[in-house]
Amino acid sequence: GAVVSQHPSRVICKSGTSVKIECRSLDFQATTMFWYRQFPKQSLMLMATSNEGSKATYEQGVEKDKFLINHASLTLSTLTVTSAHPEDSSFYICSVSTGYNTEAFFGQGTRLTVV
Amino acid sequence: TQLLEQSPQFLSIQEGENLTVYCNSSSVFSSLQWYRQEPGEGPVLLVTVVTGGEVKKLKRLTFQFGDARKDSSLHITAAQPGDTGLYLCAGADDYKLSFGAGTTVTVRA
Repeated sequence: GAVVSQHPSRVICKSGTSVKIECRSLDFQATTMFWYRQFPKQSLMLMATSNEGSKATYEQGVEKDKFLINHASLTLSTLTVTSAHPEDSSFYICSVSTGYNTEAFFGQGTRLTVV
Repeated sequence: TQLLEQSPQFLSIQEGENLTVYCNSSSVFSSLQWYRQEPGEGPVLLVTVVTGGEVKKLKRLTFQFGDARKDSSLHITAAQPGDTGLYLCAGADDYKLSFGAGTTVTVRA
């Protein structure tokens, strides 16, 4: 498997500000990472695929200018929620796949609250 | 988009009882995975099934993959409060995973 660390675990920000979430692969060089969003008691919705050294691939309906993804190294991907609004409040989770049967190893998640 | 349907949505049982969670799809996946997620945490991989008809056991958990590789089930024997959580199935499609809506399992002591 892979050990994935996500930071911060919780963040509260004011409307209109930007928030950066980090996802680190501690023991695996990840050319690809995935960002998900999860609403309370609901499933994971894939937002985007983060590709090391190139542009992220966003899922349909996800605004790329609002959810900026940077994957500058094989161990770090960041998700920046720009000009946050209360409706952006959610649980954001990243994952790494080692490639074996597309098995995913998740970070601890980040609870974002926009006030 | 391949859709995965999970049932039931919620399940509440007494400690020591058995339970089964189902995951069904209209399409075939190259592999299917089960995850368990606790509140405020990321999902944790429980098992991956690949071959049609496959059965895997993980202590008190038994996973089955249908012959046609479109459906799967998770059976827990003698459930314990520690089994409480959100159980998610996920199908692998190329390099991406599609998740079911999840089954919230509560085991009462």
